[in-house]
Amino acid sequence: AQKITQTQPGMFVQEKEAVTLDCTYDTSDPSYGLFWYKQPSSGEMIFLIYQGSYDQQNATEGRYSLNFQKARKSANLVISASQLGDSAMYFCAMREANSGNTPLVFGKGTRLSVIA
Amino acid sequence: ETGVTQTPRHLVMGMTNKKSLKCEQHLGHNAMYWYKQSAKKPLELMFVYNFKEQTENNSVPSRFSPECPNSSHLFLHLHTLQPEDSALYLCASSQVEGGGRSSTDTQYFGPGTRLTVL
Repeated sequence: AQKITQTQPGMFVQEKEAVTLDCTYDTSDPSYGLFWYKQPSSGEMIFLIYQGSYDQQNATEGRYSLNFQKARKSANLVISASQLGDSAMYFCAMREANSGNTPLVFGKGTRLSVIA
Repeated sequence: ETGVTQTPRHLVMGMTNKKSLKCEQHLGHNAMYWYKQSAKKPLELMFVYNFKEQTENNSVPSRFSPECPNSSHLFLHLHTLQPEDSALYLCASSQVEGGGRSSTDTQYFGPGTRLTVL
């Protein structure tokens, strides 16, 4: 079974509007971390935001916030006030703490296009 | 230099060539990773090095050979590659705590090497 599911292959958003990118995950490990990365066309994967499974509050980093709904196993990324430079691929990833040295598992990504 | 750097950024090679990809991290981390990103596929982990010791090798063909001489440098040696090996190769580093049993280690990536095998 897929550990990370991103159901939106592509999304469009008007400049200055907010957009939500969906991510659901599957794990039986009580301790895990959720990450979002941005990949512009240049290729580099840029770390955006982290949410721990025991964190009581949703993570926020500037215009990025993570809508963490633990019971639903979802970790959606919300980008407020979209900018043209936000156009990129966005990847959700998870790391389980009790699986030894298991690194990140990535979803297939969502391509976000910001329209002027 | 800051963060994670990779050279070269672009590489075109024939199937009989031997080349190496280089990664250097300036973050003081103790773990480094190689990933492969092909078109229309999720990011695939290839190799993990913790404290210079290889701890993961996800069934990668032997035509890919990693080398980690110290905690700051990671190489990927390539020989007799196939056209299907054409992809973006990404290096990452992180600070592993708790013997690797932590969910908080954030991986920081380099810009990648776009490899084309003819």
